Amino acid sequence: EIVLTQSPATLSLSPGERATLSCRASQSISSYLAWYQQKPGQSPRLLIYDASSRATGIPARFSGSGSGTDFTLTISSLEPEDFALYSCQQYSNWPWTFGQGTKVEIK
Amino acid sequence: QVQLQESGPGLVKPSETLSLTCTVSGGSISSYYWSWIRQSPGKGLEWIGYMYYSESTNYNTNYNPSLKSRVTILIDTSKNQFSLSLSSVTAADTAVYYCARRYGSRGYLDHWGQGTLVTVSS
Repeated sequence: EIVLTQSPATLSLSPGERATLSCRASQSISSYLAWYQQKPGQSPRLLIYDASSRATGIPARFSGSGSGTDFTLTISSLEPEDFALYSCQQYSNWPWTFGQGTKVEIK
Repeated sequence: QVQLQESGPGLVKPSETLSLTCTVSGGSISSYYWSWIRQSPGKGLEWIGYMYYSESTNYNTNYNPSLKSRVTILIDTSKNQFSLSLSSVTAADTAVYYCARRYGSRGYLDHWGQGTLVTVSS
């Protein structure tokens, strides 16, 4: 099973700042990586697929990069609604797995 | 716009079977991949398994090996529903359970239900 390690566990930032979230895979997953955003009491929402493609309706301030084992989700300028939990997910090898998540909180 | 809604008991006793149903509205259940995902505080999100049904290829499933011996996912096309059964539950199975749809045959999820909390306790 492929393990995804996300860092940091918590990111404390202010609105307008840039957020950089990391996801590292225990083995190469090519570009088979997705990112989800989850707010308290809500289900996850797809942000990014294939490591760098934005899902429908996702603002341009969200971008993804990376391939192989190292991936990054960047939020260029945090909006108030962006403070949430972010999880990465690989779909290279079954069982598809998720990272433990990075919580982006207001500083 | 397709919508998914989980339903089922919120409390299950240890050693019993957890049973949940996902009702799909706004679209057909045929020719899509449907999944069950769970989320517990200590383990994050976990993919339980998925199923696919079409009239031409019939029905197939794929389960997480860590749960395979206890999981069954079934479909009821007449009701546009699919279900999850997880047997011999323990406290470790306490989680929020989500049903979700994969984007085509791709391995990521673009539609999710709101989730339902299932607690395993006597």
